[in-house]
Amino acid sequence: EAQVTQNPRYLITVTGKKLTVTCSQNMNHEYMSWYRQDPGLGLRQIYYSMNVEVTDKGDVPEGYKVSRKEKRNFPLILESPSPNQTSLYFCASRELTGGNTIYFGEGSWLTVV
Amino acid sequence: AQTVTQSQPEMSVQEAETVTLSCTYDTSENNYYLFWYKQPPSRQMILVIRQEAYKQQNATENRFSVNFQKAAKSFSLKISDSQLGDTAMYFCAFMKWANDMRFGAGTRLTVKP
Repeated sequence: EAQVTQNPRYLITVTGKKLTVTCSQNMNHEYMSWYRQDPGLGLRQIYYSMNVEVTDKGDVPEGYKVSRKEKRNFPLILESPSPNQTSLYFCASRELTGGNTIYFGEGSWLTVV
Repeated sequence: AQTVTQSQPEMSVQEAETVTLSCTYDTSENNYYLFWYKQPPSRQMILVIRQEAYKQQNATENRFSVNFQKAAKSFSLKISDSQLGDTAMYFCAFMKWANDMRFGAGTRLTVKP
């Protein structure tokens, strides 16, 4: 079954404590990305990757890091989380050629207190 | 940068009736893709319908259809015979060829019994 898997699904953490949200896809997709969803703003892209070792900033990259060492994995790293990073996060993947269906993970609720 | 606007933050409809959700976008591109995603309370992102800009024919998926007006840069979603399970947040999204997906802020639809 085609899947994008994110972990953890729910997390409450404290300001400044580094955390990583993992993302893995089993479809051999080149393109992977991270979004955050906030009320009234829809989904905004944080970072994306077009292939292994190729990453680039999206619209809201401040406070986040990513890496793409393997094709299937694209972790999102919050080095020093702050309360304004409290949000719902989605990982997504698709084939690189245009117009293809994008597959979303189930979302990760992150609360920073 | 492309922008996607959903001007209706909230809408409601009676069960079995028809409702139309609006979406406009701004782009100078000629080739692109448009999508409607449904997000039920589970927060899962579910693809409802997609439209290729080069196709003049409006896409249809069962009770869901779109009115794509390329010159007006408008992409509305019509839901016929509304069902209680259609209650969800609906996001309009735009994607250039082999590029990032941009989302509107969403429309919260409530189907009333």
